Amino acid sequence: QLQLQESGSGLVKPSQTLSLTCSVSGGSIISNGAYSWGWIRQSPGKGLEWIGYIYYSGSTYYNPSLKNRVTMSVDTSKNQFSLNLSSVTAADTAIYYCARDRSSGYWVYWGQGTLVTVSS
Amino acid sequence: DIQMTQFPSTLSASIGDRVTITCRASQNILTYLAWYQHKPGKAPHLLIYKASTLEIGVPTRFSGSGSGTEFTLTISSLQPDDFATYYCQQYSSYSPYTFGQGTKLEI
Repeated sequence: QLQLQESGSGLVKPSQTLSLTCSVSGGSIISNGAYSWGWIRQSPGKGLEWIGYIYYSGSTYYNPSLKNRVTMSVDTSKNQFSLNLSSVTAADTAIYYCARDRSSGYWVYWGQGTLVTVSS
Repeated sequence: DIQMTQFPSTLSASIGDRVTITCRASQNILTYLAWYQHKPGKAPHLLIYKASTLEIGVPTRFSGSGSGTEFTLTISSLQPDDFATYYCQQYSSYSPYTFGQGTKLEI
C-alpha cells in the first residue's frame, strides 16, 4: 500500500519561503510516468485548494493563482518530492497535503497533512 | 478557472436517512468530477471518480451521478461513520483543478 508522509517546517516567518517534502513508501515514485504527485492545502476554516503537481520526469503544473511563488521538485533517488512557496503571508497558513493521482487528476493516495503556520 | 459551487454547505441528518449533495460547475466538465470524504485530522478519502465510478473499497451506499455542469453525491442510508465533510473536485483538462466549498454532514 502506497504511503505518503509530509515533513518540513511548521512555522515560517512572513516573506520567507515555506519548504515541505513528501516521502513516498510502499512504491516507487518512478513506477509509472503518468502518475502526478501533487500538493493540496486547506486554510483554517476553508476548503481545499490545489497547489500544483509534478511528474517524476520533472514536468510541473501549478495553480495560476500561486504560480509566481511555487516551485516543485522531485528526487527519485530518495523517492521524495518537494514544495517551495516563497514570499509567504498569513494567508498561506494551512494544512498542506501531498497526494498522488491515478494519472487522471483525482487524488487517490494522500499524506496525513502537515500544519504550516506563517507568523513572526 | 472553473468554479465549483457545492450545496448545501451544511446538512443535518439522522442515521438511516438518504441524503444528496449537489455540485455545480461553471463550465461543462463532462464527467471529470470526483467526490471526497474528509474527517478532521485525517487525509481526504476518495469516494467516487469520473462522476459515478465508486472507488474500490467504498461502501455501495455511496453513489454519484451527473455530467456536464450538474452532479450529485447520494448516500442511501446514513451510517455513523458517514458524518464528515464532503468535497467535489473537477479535474477537467486545460483548467486548474478546483474543489467545491464543502458540505458538512452533521447529526
